[in-house]
Amino acid sequence: DTEVTQTPKHLVMGMTNKKSLKCEQHMGHRAMYWYKQKAKKPPELMFVYSYEKLSINESVPSRFSPECPNSSLLNLHLHALQPEDSALYLCASSQVAPAGSYGYTFGSGTRLTVV
Amino acid sequence: AQSVAQPEDQVNVAEGNPLTVKCTYSVSGNPYLFWYVQYPNRGLQFLLKYITGDNLVKGSYGFEAEFNKSQTSFHLKKPSALVSDSALYFCAGFGNEKLTFGTGTRLTIIP
Repeated sequence: DTEVTQTPKHLVMGMTNKKSLKCEQHMGHRAMYWYKQKAKKPPELMFVYSYEKLSINESVPSRFSPECPNSSLLNLHLHALQPEDSALYLCASSQVAPAGSYGYTFGSGTRLTVV
Repeated sequence: AQSVAQPEDQVNVAEGNPLTVKCTYSVSGNPYLFWYVQYPNRGLQFLLKYITGDNLVKGSYGFEAEFNKSQTSFHLKKPSALVSDSALYFCAGFGNEKLTFGTGTRLTIIP
């Protein structure tokens, strides 16, 4: 298995809703990442987990809450989002963090629309 | 400081012609450089990477990239473009424990 799987692929949520994005990998990678990508822009790093512990938070608003229950699974809990949070959310993994020469494997993303 | 620049927002190439997508970098130490491709509403697909060794790196789908230390460049190339190569291409460099992306280049292959 050489993939990062993200679910759901599409999500529409209201500003008062609570939802979660899920990311899974079975490559034995010990680092997992959340990125946010707006249309026609490069991905922006949000969070880094290394050995299931949060190692980097890029000053992301608290309405985004990451969770890493085990080495294969990464969640992003969403609450009270704003329309400007609409974006493609990408999950990635690497053998370790910092990834260095190992590189990253990206999932296909969740397209989030906040209404 | 770590940065990666893609000077062209858009590149158009006729099908069958060679293509080049440009990338320059600014890093301290040995650069780790990557190319990714993104199709509409999809995630990033890894194409190739430069870590060390040969300056010409071969990757997926017939793409290759040339690392040029004196020009601090890492241009993506393909000898003969296909319509299916039309996509958004990102150059990225690793530094300061993070992967930094260029702004992306939209490649359009014209039949």
